[in-house]
Amino acid sequence: AQTVTQSQPEMSVQEAETVTLSCTYDTSESDYYLFWYKQPPSRQMILVIRQEAYKQQNATENRFSVNFQKAAKSFSLKISDSQLGDAAMYFCAYRSALLVGGSNYKLTFGKGTLLTVNP
Amino acid sequence: EAQVTQNPRYLITVTGKKLTVTCSQNMNHEYMSWYRQDPGLGLRQIYYSMNVEVTDKGDVPEGYKVSRKEKRNFPLILESPSPNQTSLYFCASSPNRDRVGPYEQYFGPGTRLTVT
Repeated sequence: AQTVTQSQPEMSVQEAETVTLSCTYDTSESDYYLFWYKQPPSRQMILVIRQEAYKQQNATENRFSVNFQKAAKSFSLKISDSQLGDAAMYFCAYRSALLVGGSNYKLTFGKGTLLTVNP
Repeated sequence: EAQVTQNPRYLITVTGKKLTVTCSQNMNHEYMSWYRQDPGLGLRQIYYSMNVEVTDKGDVPEGYKVSRKEKRNFPLILESPSPNQTSLYFCASSPNRDRVGPYEQYFGPGTRLTVT
């Protein structure tokens, strides 16, 4: 079974600064997807960024980028120019790309990192 | 607007009183799933459904039931709720087959359930 570990329960950053959230995972599969979800106080789960394991290029979405190290099974999220609206719980998640059997569609989540942005 | 809806958003109930949390999606997705979120545990899958009349257990199915009689609806049923089912519940949906772009799961807004 796959596991996802977020070793930082809480992080803080000054507004306009850069912060990196860590995520490691364990899997025996070679093809999979990785995601970062943001959960603001509204509790809505918002997809921030995703990475396909077969792609070497790191995904980028505006101020959000990832550092995907497949051999190290590491998938960190970098937030540049942090804004007050970035304050939220962030979840790293794994999903198999092997679309055989319903259990492979499951998202496996880490426990989350609570990000505080200080003005 | 493509969305997943859940009702109710908040619910306080007492031990043993049967309840149903509804989930509906308008994206014609085959796959639907229920997760529960607890502090320090992240989100864990309760049940999922690959299509109409096809459901299966996730990681934490005890105390829950589901049904999938229509493609758009996937209700979560707690027949005899207990305090350890106090949690934040999310419904999610996605297509069964990865196509260009939409292989993400779309989440509903969440249902905060308190069982006293």
